[in-house]
Amino acid sequence: EAGVVQSPRYKIIEKKQPVAFWCNPISGHNTLYWYLQNLGQGPELLIRYENEEAVDDSQLPKDRFSAERLKGVDSTLKIQPAELGDSAVYLCASSFSGVYNEQFFGPGTRLTVL
Amino acid sequence: GQNIDQPTEMTATEGAIVQINCTYQTSGFNGLFWYQQHAGEAPTFLSYNVLDGLEEKGRFSSFLSRSKGYSYLLLKELQMKDSASYLCAVNTDKLIFGTGTRLQVFP
Repeated sequence: EAGVVQSPRYKIIEKKQPVAFWCNPISGHNTLYWYLQNLGQGPELLIRYENEEAVDDSQLPKDRFSAERLKGVDSTLKIQPAELGDSAVYLCASSFSGVYNEQFFGPGTRLTVL
Repeated sequence: GQNIDQPTEMTATEGAIVQINCTYQTSGFNGLFWYQQHAGEAPTFLSYNVLDGLEEKGRFSSFLSRSKGYSYLLLKELQMKDSASYLCAVNTDKLIFGTGTRLQVFP
């Protein structure tokens, strides 16, 4: 069974440029999460989707970050414009619906903003 | 507020036993996860405790005391491949992660 797929794995951009990350969750998982992980820290939730609906985006900096999950499967996270402080690993995870279910993480996209 | 505390780093010797502690103060509690994360890789699931007590799974065990806001992960018969970060995460209506404990296993 394929795991959570993310691309690209690495991205280097200059500040003020836009960037987009893509995630394909495990088949059958209704819930999709985007996390940000800084070096030496645990992941922090940015947004959670139940199917195509964003049910928790309270931690998403909406002035520059946006996300979508069209058709309730793949998802894209965008930053426009990127700032130096956005350098981090962006993790995507998926699970079956319900707070008790294990989340499966993708390998992440390591973003470097110069 | 939400607060989860774990030691930043630990070291141990191959073949030994190590206990990684996690204390938490959160608004809401639906269980506690432990994840393992090797450098540059995705976190992978180790255990999930909802009720008080010890859950054993091979070389790894996890304990929970809800009244004390306390959990630990016990790793037995340590192997070099166990060198990784171990993340404690409390399930409220979302996962709140601690900063992780970086474990180094030496021969």
